[in-house]
Amino acid sequence: QVTLKESGPVLVKPTETLTLTCTVSGFSLSNARMGVSWIRQPPGKALEWLAHIFSNDEKSYSTSLKSRLTISKDTSKSQVVLTMTNMDPVDTATYYCARILAVGYYYFDYWGQGTLVTVSS
Amino acid sequence: DIVMTQTPLSLSVTPGQPASISCKSSQSLLHSDGKTYLYWYLQKPGQSPQLLIYEVSSRFSGVPDRFSGSGSGTDFTLKISRVEAEDVGVYYCMQGIHLRFGQGTKVEIK
Repeated sequence: QVTLKESGPVLVKPTETLTLTCTVSGFSLSNARMGVSWIRQPPGKALEWLAHIFSNDEKSYSTSLKSRLTISKDTSKSQVVLTMTNMDPVDTATYYCARILAVGYYYFDYWGQGTLVTVSS
Repeated sequence: DIVMTQTPLSLSVTPGQPASISCKSSQSLLHSDGKTYLYWYLQKPGQSPQLLIYEVSSRFSGVPDRFSGSGSGTDFTLKISRVEAEDVGVYYCMQGIHLRFGQGTKVEIK
C-alpha cells in the first residue's frame, strides 16, 4: 500500500524558510521512474506543482519559484524534503507531496493528505 | 507554458443524470511517442486529489466505470454517465508535460 505523509510547521513568519518533509511507504525512493513531487493549493484555489525529485537525483522546479525552492531526498529514511525560502503570506497553502511516475512524461498517482501552512507574523 | 482551460467552472447535477467537463490545452498534448499526457483528478471535499483518468481515457485502479475520458490533441472531456452523491468535489485536468493543472470544475448535487 502506497502512502505519503507530509510534516512540517503549521505557521511560519514572513521572510522565514519553510522546511517540509514527505515520508513515504509502500515504495522505495530508489525505484527507477518513480519519484516524489510537491504540489500546493492556496485556500479555495487551484493546484500548483512546485518541484520533483527522482531516484537518480534528477530534480525539477517550477520556473516561477525556482530561486526559492530546494528539494532533496534521503532514500534510507524514505523521506523527501522541500525547502522554500523567503516565505510570504501569499504562500499560505496546503502543501501536498505525491508520488510521480515518469512514463514518457509525468503524472501523480498517489497523494499525501496535505499539510496547511499559514504565513503570518 | 501550456495553459489548461476548463469549462464550466461549476456544475450542479441531479443524481442519476450525466455530467460533462471540458478541458482545452493551449498546445497539443500529443507526444512524439504517440501518447497523449492528459490526466483527470477529483478532489473530494476536505480530501487530497485522487487520480481518476490517465493518458486521456484509461481509468485508474478502483475508479468506477461511470467515469470516462475522451479527446485528442487540445480538446478533452471527462464524462460521468450517472452522477452519484459521492462524485461531488472539484475536478481538475492536468497536462503531464509541464505538470500544469486546469482551474478546476466544482460539481455539486442538485
